[in-house]
Parts: sequence; C-alpha cells; structure tokens
Amino acid sequence: GNSVTQMEGPVTLSEEAFLTINCTYTATGYPSLFWYVQYPGEGLQLLLKATKADDKGSNKGFEATYRKETTSFHLEKGSVQVSDSAVYFCALPNQAGTALIFGKGTTLSVSS
Amino acid sequence: DTAVSQTPKYLVTQMGNDKSIKCEQNLGHDTMYWYKQDSKKFLKIMFSYNNKELIINETVPNRFSPKSPDKAHLNLHINSLELGDSAVYFCASSQATGGSYEQYFGPGTRLTVT
Repeated sequence: GNSVTQMEGPVTLSEEAFLTINCTYTATGYPSLFWYVQYPGEGLQLLLKATKADDKGSNKGFEATYRKETTSFHLEKGSVQVSDSAVYFCALPNQAGTALIFGKGTTLSVSS
Repeated sequence: DTAVSQTPKYLVTQMGNDKSIKCEQNLGHDTMYWYKQDSKKFLKIMFSYNNKELIINETVPNRFSPKSPDKAHLNLHINSLELGDSAVYFCASSQATGGSYEQYFGPGTRLTVT
C-alpha cells in the first residue's frame, strides 16, 4: 500500500534561515501529495498540495515540488519566521483514496 | 463560523468509563473522518464515513463505535475506556472521497484516561 517517510525532528532554526523538510513516498500510481501544518494546540490545516508530477505547490512562502523520479515532495522555505514554529506533516491518500496517510511529523522551532 | 467543530476540547475520565465525542461540519461535505494522534504526534485514520455510510474501519477495538446521524455529524463513542486510549482525537471532513480532496480538521479532543 501507499506510505510516506518524513525526516524526523526536531528542527531548530534561527529566524530568516532556510528550511528543508524531506519527504519521500511509495505509492501505486501518482496520487496527490500534501503538506499539513499543526500549530500548537490546534488541528491540522492544509499548507499546500500538488496533484501531479512536476507540480509545485506553494503557500505562505513554503514550496514543494512533486518529483516522481525521486518519489519526493520536500518542503522548503527561504526565510523562516518565529510564527512558522509548528509540526509539519507530509501526507498522501491511501490506495483506495478513502483516507490520508501521514508521515510522523517534523517539529520546527524558530528562534529570534 | 467554525468549519469543523468538536466537543469537548478536553476530556478527563477514569478507566472503565464510557464517553462520547461529537463532531459537526458546516461545509456541506459528504465525507467525514476520525483520526487518532498519539503522544508522539503520529496520526492514524480510525474511521471514514461517506454520506453517512461507513467506508473505513481500521483495526480499531470494537469499544470504539462511530455514529453518523446525518452528513454533517460524526460522533465517536468509546466504551470501557483504557489507559492506552489517551490521545488527541481529530475529526475531519472533505468534499468527497478520492485522493485529491483537501481534508479540513477540527481543533481536536484531548482525551486523558486515568
């Protein structure tokens, strides 16, 4: 079945540093890929998504490109802010498309 | 107006008790879900309903029973609570099933079993 592997944290950065969180997947076909973010004490919210190979999803300065050659969907941001401190989850649908499978989450802490 | 709401936000109870968590969505979505997040933040699907019909029932103990009275509501009842049930439970909804639809999550219910 489909699965996702995400780099584990925590990741600690200074404000304005460059961020990369690695995500690789195993899937049948080419499913949509997602990044969700969970701020402290809140539920998850969609950060960005890509629905086909070579698509780039972007939102709030974050980007991720769907790479089928390397089965990857790495999350990047050029200059992080303290307000980006959160847990980030890479996700893809299960094979039937009836639920999401999440990576283990990466905790990002940004200090000023 | 909150898109996906859950009540209660916190639930502290003793082993052996029975409790319920309620979820409502006002997005007009057809599909609703329950996820469990453990203490290490790992999220796993428990149940999925589409148009009030159960479409996923993962390997969850039968002490957990979801009920969907209508498309906008999905409640979770838990019998004979155990220590290992302590977790954060998230309700979510999406427009339909199918892998490309965004899921909208509620704020979570933190269940603590003592």
